Amino acid sequence: EDQVTQSPEALRLQEGESSSLNCSYTVSGLRGLFWYRQDPGKGPEFLFTLYSAGEEKEKERLKATLTKKESFLHITAPKPEDSATYLCAVQVVTGTASKLTFGTGTRLQVTL
Amino acid sequence: KAGVTQTPRYLIKTRGQQVTLSCSPISGHRSVSWYQQTPGQGLQFLFEYFSETQRNKGNFPGRFSGRQFSNSRSEMNVSTLELGDSALYLCASRGTSGANVLTFGAGSRLTVL
Repeated sequence: EDQVTQSPEALRLQEGESSSLNCSYTVSGLRGLFWYRQDPGKGPEFLFTLYSAGEEKEKERLKATLTKKESFLHITAPKPEDSATYLCAVQVVTGTASKLTFGTGTRLQVTL
Repeated sequence: KAGVTQTPRYLIKTRGQQVTLSCSPISGHRSVSWYQQTPGQGLQFLFEYFSETQRNKGNFPGRFSGRQFSNSRSEMNVSTLELGDSALYLCASRGTSGANVLTFGAGSRLTVL
């Protein structure tokens, strides 16, 4: 069964204190690994898609990397506005059907 | 470009009632998926529709159903509500560009009393 595990569950950082979030997965036939950001009361907002081991994507203070078993979301010099829940998901495609299997997320709080 | 619109945003029902939630996808998107989000389980896949046909279904009881109309708008229905159905129900649409990126709406927050 496809499984996605995120750690830590919660992370509190001071502004400027860099860190990494982890997403480990077991899936048969990975088609893509997705990172989303979710703010309270809102739906998830797309950040990155990674397709193959060794791939990296960057956006502002965020950098996502992928290996054969896990993905990391590196946050460099975070700011309070980076506070959110970060969700990782793997895509499984069966024929023409597609679905994302999500982890339970990492709640990030960045304080001044 | 308008995003994914979900209505209603909040609703309160009692056990045994039924509820219908609506989702309007991004213009031009023909795939609509539904997810249930709860604090304990996270986001769980309900079903996906494409061109009015259900293409994929998650592990939810038959009380959960959905449909898609010719204009790609989708509805999901939950009958005989249970307390455990309290959740944020998220709709997402996807285009056919090949990127397979789901764009989510803000969700419908259902509380069952």
